[in-house]
Amino acid sequence: QLQLQESGPGLVKPSETLSLTCTVSGASISSGGFHWGWIRQPPGKGLEWLGTIYYSGSTYHNPTLKSRVTISVDTSKNQFSLKLSSVTAADTAVYYCARTTVVGTTSNWFDPWGQGTLVTVSS
Amino acid sequence: QSALTQPASVSGSPGQSITISCTGTSSDVGAYNYVSWYQQHPGKAPKLMIYDVINRPSGVPDRFSGSKSGSAASLTISGLQAEDEANYYCSSYTTTTLIFGGGTKLTVL
Repeated sequence: QLQLQESGPGLVKPSETLSLTCTVSGASISSGGFHWGWIRQPPGKGLEWLGTIYYSGSTYHNPTLKSRVTISVDTSKNQFSLKLSSVTAADTAVYYCARTTVVGTTSNWFDPWGQGTLVTVSS
Repeated sequence: QSALTQPASVSGSPGQSITISCTGTSSDVGAYNYVSWYQQHPGKAPKLMIYDVINRPSGVPDRFSGSKSGSAASLTISGLQAEDEANYYCSSYTTTTLIFGGGTKLTVL
């Protein structure tokens, strides 16, 4: 069945760039029909949509983070990636990747989700 | 866009029914039928329980149901079971972003 797995450094220094990759198994990103997104959850807090990408490379972002977020896709590896620049302690969170649908330029629902990876921003 | 409003906690006994509310505005919940609900057990990833207000993904028990009236959406769980104890989050599409509620902790007494 479809599975997603996040990977990347668990510790990032302030002002640097957070980089994560999501590897998709059980389905091809290139098959279309669905988009692929990133969501985060600060410890003990709620969820925040970061951005979404289609296999063609079209991207959609949360306007509050748009200038710092870059999402890319590598169909040859069946992966998509997140970069978040100029991080601060406020970016400490569990980062999830998930399959998603899109309405207009915004994600709608997410299913399934990866297990998540904790990224801590600290010097 | 402000977050959707959910009660911090709800509780119920096994076999009972509970409802979790999710209040938005005429620009989000009230404007579109794109409300979703997620269940999250501690230390686990969220799981989609309801999408587009009323639809259940394959594998989700029919004890879970969704509805909407005006700018408020609701998740109802009937025949509560111990395994339903978790945090529940709602989300709503808007034309510019996707917003989530603050989450509701469901305790099964």
